[in-house]
Amino acid sequence: AQTVTQSQPEMSVQEAETVTLSCTYDTSESDYYLFWYKQPPSRQMILVIRQEAYKQQNATENRFSVNFQKAAKSFSLKISDSQLGDAAMYFCAYRSMNYGGSQGNLIFGKGTKLSVKP
Amino acid sequence: DSGVTQTPKHLITATGQRVTLRCSPRSGDLSVYWYQQSLDQGLQFLIQYYNGEERAKGNILERFSAQQFPDLHSELNLSSLELGDSALYFCASSIGGNTEAFFGQGTRLTVV
Repeated sequence: AQTVTQSQPEMSVQEAETVTLSCTYDTSESDYYLFWYKQPPSRQMILVIRQEAYKQQNATENRFSVNFQKAAKSFSLKISDSQLGDAAMYFCAYRSMNYGGSQGNLIFGKGTKLSVKP
Repeated sequence: DSGVTQTPKHLITATGQRVTLRCSPRSGDLSVYWYQQSLDQGLQFLIQYYNGEERAKGNILERFSAQQFPDLHSELNLSSLELGDSALYFCASSIGGNTEAFFGQGTRLTVV
C-alpha cells in the first residue's frame, strides 16, 4: 500500500521569504500523480500544484514550485515570496495513475501547518 | 467556489443516532469521493462511486454506507454514531479517475 509522510508538523516563514515543505512517499508503482493541497482556516481543500511521475520537469504554478525526486520518492513544495494568505495547512497527496480511468482516490499525508509572520 | 456542494455545513447529533450527508458534484463529473478528516486520523479516503457504481473502498466502517443516485448526487449515511465519528466529512468529484478532483467545503459533524 502507498503511504505519504510529511515530517514537519509546523513551519514558519517571514513574509516575502521562501519556505520549503517536505514530503516523502512510498510506492511500488512507476506511474502516479502527486499533489499539494492547501487548507486555509475556511477548511476548503484547494489544489496548489500537481506533478505527473512520468514528467521529469518539476511543476511550477506562479510562486509555488516542486522539487520532485522520483528515485528518492521525495516531493517538496517551495513557496516563494510568501504572503500572509499562504498561511494554511498544506497536504501532500498521492494518486495512482489508473489506466482504467475510473478509480482515483487520494492518499494524504498528515499535513504541515504553515504560519506566515508579517 | 469549486462547484461541489455539500449539505449541511454543520451537524450536531447525539450518540446512537443516524445522519445523512449529501453531496452534489460539479456538473459533468461522474466520480464522487468521500473523505473523513479527523484530528487523530488525518484525511482518510472512505469510498468512491463512479457513475452510480461503487469503484473503490477505503477505511469505511460497516456503520457507514454511501450511494450515488442516477442524477449523480451522492449521500453518505452514518449510523449508530459514536463520539469518535466527530469529524469533517469531505466530498470531492471529478470527471474520471485520472482527472482533477474538486472538493466541497465539507460537513462538520459533531457527535455529543
